[in-house]
Amino acid sequence: SQQGEEDPQALSIQEGENATMNCSYKTSINNLQWYRQNSGRGLVHLILIRSNEREKHSGRLRVTLDTSKKSSSLLITASRAADTASYFCATVTGGGNKLTFGTGTQLKVEL
Amino acid sequence: DTAVSQTPKYLVTQMGNDKSIKCEQNLGHDTMYWYKQDSKKFLKIMFSYNNKELIINETVPNRFSPKSPDKAHLNLHINSLELGDSAVYFCASSQGRSPDSTQYFGPGTRLTVL
Repeated sequence: SQQGEEDPQALSIQEGENATMNCSYKTSINNLQWYRQNSGRGLVHLILIRSNEREKHSGRLRVTLDTSKKSSSLLITASRAADTASYFCATVTGGGNKLTFGTGTQLKVEL
Repeated sequence: DTAVSQTPKYLVTQMGNDKSIKCEQNLGHDTMYWYKQDSKKFLKIMFSYNNKELIINETVPNRFSPKSPDKAHLNLHINSLELGDSAVYFCASSQGRSPDSTQYFGPGTRLTVL
């Protein structure tokens, strides 16, 4: 069954603004990952946060994880038109590396 | 210098036909995956192979049969295609099968069953 639900489903912002996407999941996790999918393309791994971590940064990306609330957020600062894409969270549970994806957030950054 | 490649990119076929999708990775990874993305963009894992051994086999109809001739290739054969098989199929690979192993995705194969 689906592990993650993302919110909002769609987000439209102006270039330069920040974009925040949220992901909630149901069971205990080993780690949570964020992926980007440009239209008609494959997924690109953005960042991984382990269950014992609370915050991670990578360039303009900031990810937080709250295991007590079973939720994560992805913040993209100073957004650019090139950030327009769908963003997915995916969780890994147990000792394997099976990814269970969320429903995705479609981000549109307008000039 | 494509990392994970899939062929074909588009596949249009009639119900009842049998088709194959091929995947190759040149990253030297030992683990490969097949995912299905439906029309609502929901992604779900189907299979995973590690060193040619099947390690993940989700609840997928047995009309779907993966085959890994070597570590760099994982093909997906689908028998008796149905309308509901229409989707985008993604191949991915990773080095190892630990929880932290980053998965690299191919560009996808859009399958349309008429």
